[in-house]
Amino acid sequence: GNSVTQMEGPVTLSEEAFLTINCTYTATGYPSLFWYVQYPGEGLQLLLKATKADDKGSNKGFEATYRKETTSFHLEKGSVQVSDSAVYFCALSDRAAGNKLTFGGGTRVLVKP
Amino acid sequence: NAGVMQNPRHLVRRRGQEARLRCSPMKGHSHVYWYRQLPEEGLKFMVYLQKENIIDESGMPKERFSAEFPKEGPSILRIQQVVRGDSAAYFCASSSEGGSYEQYFGPGTRLTVT
Repeated sequence: GNSVTQMEGPVTLSEEAFLTINCTYTATGYPSLFWYVQYPGEGLQLLLKATKADDKGSNKGFEATYRKETTSFHLEKGSVQVSDSAVYFCALSDRAAGNKLTFGGGTRVLVKP
Repeated sequence: NAGVMQNPRHLVRRRGQEARLRCSPMKGHSHVYWYRQLPEEGLKFMVYLQKENIIDESGMPKERFSAEFPKEGPSILRIQQVVRGDSAAYFCASSSEGGSYEQYFGPGTRLTVT
């Protein structure tokens, strides 16, 4: 079956530091990959996505590249802000598995001023 | 242009009671997904519905849980005879089509069973 593994948190950073959150996946088909962000007390917001190998998703300074050879979709941001403090979820959607999202366990990020 | 609406936002039930969670998808969306988030865990898929049809319920517990998405009105997730282990955040997402189209999430219903 499909699965997503992402690095455990919490990750604590200072403002303007570089952020990387590792994400690897296992899928039987050809999945689309997503990063979602969850701010305290809120639902999930789509941060970025990639639908095929070598695609790069980007949004709000965050980037992730779909690497089929390493089955990875690592999230990066060059200079984080306090407002980036949240929980980040890596996820995949596989048409062969009925389009439902399979999520990683989430990584809590705390950015200190 | 309202997003996905869920209500109630917080629900407290005693063991043995019934919980009803409602989800109104975004305008124009006919696909609804329900996910459950247990404390300190990621989200787990429960069920995928289209209007009047259950497409995939492979993540639903076999007993006490049911879901519907009628022709008119919101999607309902129903939990009968709740137990403490049902305490979680339940999120609804909607999309305009299946496939790789994005799912848009509601704010969630936080169920507490006492």
